[in-house]
Amino acid sequence: SQQGEEDPQALSIQEGENATMNCSYKTSINNLQWYRQNSGRGLVHLILIRSNEREKHSGRLRVTLDTSKKSSSLLITASRAADTASYFCANTDKLIFGTGTRLQVFP
Amino acid sequence: GAVVSQHPSRVICKSGTSVKIECRSLDFQATTMFWYRQFPKQSLMLMATSNEGSKATYEQGVEKDKFLINHASLTLSTLTVTSAHPEDSSFYICSAKQGVDQPQHFGDGTRLSIL
Repeated sequence: SQQGEEDPQALSIQEGENATMNCSYKTSINNLQWYRQNSGRGLVHLILIRSNEREKHSGRLRVTLDTSKKSSSLLITASRAADTASYFCANTDKLIFGTGTRLQVFP
Repeated sequence: GAVVSQHPSRVICKSGTSVKIECRSLDFQATTMFWYRQFPKQSLMLMATSNEGSKATYEQGVEKDKFLINHASLTLSTLTVTSAHPEDSSFYICSAKQGVDQPQHFGDGTRLSIL
């Protein structure tokens, strides 16, 4: 069963704009992670937010977590063409992924 | 740090061949390794969870006799696709983690094509 669902499924923006992706999950979690995947490659861990945290920053990334709504968001500020990838959210248990958000950043 | 190496990156072979994929954690000891399968434009589907020195735990619908997993050490796990057929063609990805509530670190994946 899928524990994470990302929204939107696809997002196209211009370089310099911000990109926001959302994730909803069904069961309780201890932690939530965001990953990115370039086409045909493995996943790169971006950020982990614990269930007792509400917001976390890492460089141009900002993640929020609302455990009452079972949702999280990933904001990428000042996007670059190199940010083009698919982004997934997952818990830290079995890491059951949603289908991801495919982000395309045009130069 | 936390580098996971997966080898080979690409395999093309004939139907009926058995294929072994290696997953190594290069700079940490992995208590648990995971094997995933991904079809084009879809999410990763967990196939099995592997703990060092014990039998792998397979997800529902995954044939353990078809997908043999060995986790002989804290830095190496292998997935063998036995008697592979064209429907086994897919992108296989491994990951490793150091402990509970630690992030998973992924290999770059193996693209398997069975002719």
